[in-house]
Amino acid sequence: DTEVTQTPKHLVMGMTNKKSLKCEQHMGHRAMYWYKQKAKKPPELMFVYSYEKLSINESVPSRFSPECPNSSLLNLHLHALQPEDSALYLCASSDVGKRETQYFGPGTRLLVL
Amino acid sequence: GENVEQHPSTLSVQEGDSAVIKCTYSDSASNYFPWYKQELGKRPQLIIDIRSNVGEKKDQRIAVTLNKTAKHFSLHITETQPEDSAVYFCAAFQTGANNLFFGTGTRLTVIP
Repeated sequence: DTEVTQTPKHLVMGMTNKKSLKCEQHMGHRAMYWYKQKAKKPPELMFVYSYEKLSINESVPSRFSPECPNSSLLNLHLHALQPEDSALYLCASSDVGKRETQYFGPGTRLLVL
Repeated sequence: GENVEQHPSTLSVQEGDSAVIKCTYSDSASNYFPWYKQELGKRPQLIIDIRSNVGEKKDQRIAVTLNKTAKHFSLHITETQPEDSAVYFCAAFQTGANNLFFGTGTRLTVIP
């Protein structure tokens, strides 16, 4: 399996909702990433997990809460989001020792109303 | 962190013509330069990459060149086809930050 999968594909939520994005890979990668991509912009790194431990948090607001329950799964818990958080959220994975070669999931397109 | 600049932001070419997209980077310690293709609503897909110890790499109609001294690298697509239409992102892997830094993207349109 050489794919990174993400669910859901689309998500609409209100500013008071709590929702979660999920990411899964079975390539044996022990580094996983969350990126945020606004329209016509490049992906922006949010979080990096290495061996299931958070290694990088790029000053992301606390309304985004990542979780890595095991080596194949990565979640992003969302709470009290703002309309400006609407974006495509991409998950990626890589070997820990080869973090330059990242494989991206298809993303979750999030709309916050 | 690393600063990657990419030009042009949009590029239109006739089918069969060549397309060239250029990127510059700021940190001489960056050592790996991938190119991603992102079709509308889809994931970024790695299409070609080059390491800092190589000057040029080719894969069928796609080639990447790297000039370490000038800190710039370019993507060359020959014999363009409509299915090449997409947004292309360059990136640089900065060893200090141990992260990829992306360029701002080029929207390529191949006109049939």
